[in-house]
Amino acid sequence: TQLLEQSPQFLSIQEGENLTVYCNSSSVFSSLQWYRQEPGEGPVLLVTVVTGGEVKKLKRLTFQFGDARKDSSLHITAAQPGDTGLYLCAGGKGTSYGKLTFGQGTILTVHP
Amino acid sequence: DAGITQSPRYKITETGRQVTLMCHQTWSHSYMFWYRQDLGHGLRLIYYSAAADITDKGEVPDGYVVSRSKTENFPLTLESATRSQTSVYFCASSRRTHANYGYTFGSGTRLTVV
Repeated sequence: TQLLEQSPQFLSIQEGENLTVYCNSSSVFSSLQWYRQEPGEGPVLLVTVVTGGEVKKLKRLTFQFGDARKDSSLHITAAQPGDTGLYLCAGGKGTSYGKLTFGQGTILTVHP
Repeated sequence: DAGITQSPRYKITETGRQVTLMCHQTWSHSYMFWYRQDLGHGLRLIYYSAAADITDKGEVPDGYVVSRSKTENFPLTLESATRSQTSVYFCASSRRTHANYGYTFGSGTRLTVV
């Protein structure tokens, strides 16, 4: 059972455009994490959000955790080619030995 | 350099052979994980370990065996490789119990079973 649904699966945009990636679930998570993965490498943690309604900013990236802690979004402002990659959301549930459930990912391509 | 190292990076093996993928971390993180990444399925948890000599199954453990005699090493063994085990395998570690702390991933092992 896929607990975390990401949308869209693919996103192809021009440099300078804005975009939003969504991560939705019917389950409540204690935390929601976002990772970015480049070809041939492992995912790299971008951010963790833990409080319902929380908003975190990382330069041009804005992350939000839904009020009910069932969903999250990643917004990128003025995308650049260097933002190209696979974006993964992952949900954690309390002290379950740190196990995370991952979404299927969003492949973002930013064209110069 | 400190970090989490996986070896080999690439491996081709034949159906029925035993294969071991290695994972080594230098942070003394308690928690370690093995995931496989496949198109359409994302990252799926195979096995995890909370400490040396403590391991447990994840979502897709069939056909795999793990051990953790030392904190820093967490090898994954495919007892008798099948073509369905062709995948990219990632090892990860985490320093805390709570799922709020993120993972650090290795660079992965791309395994092809022919």
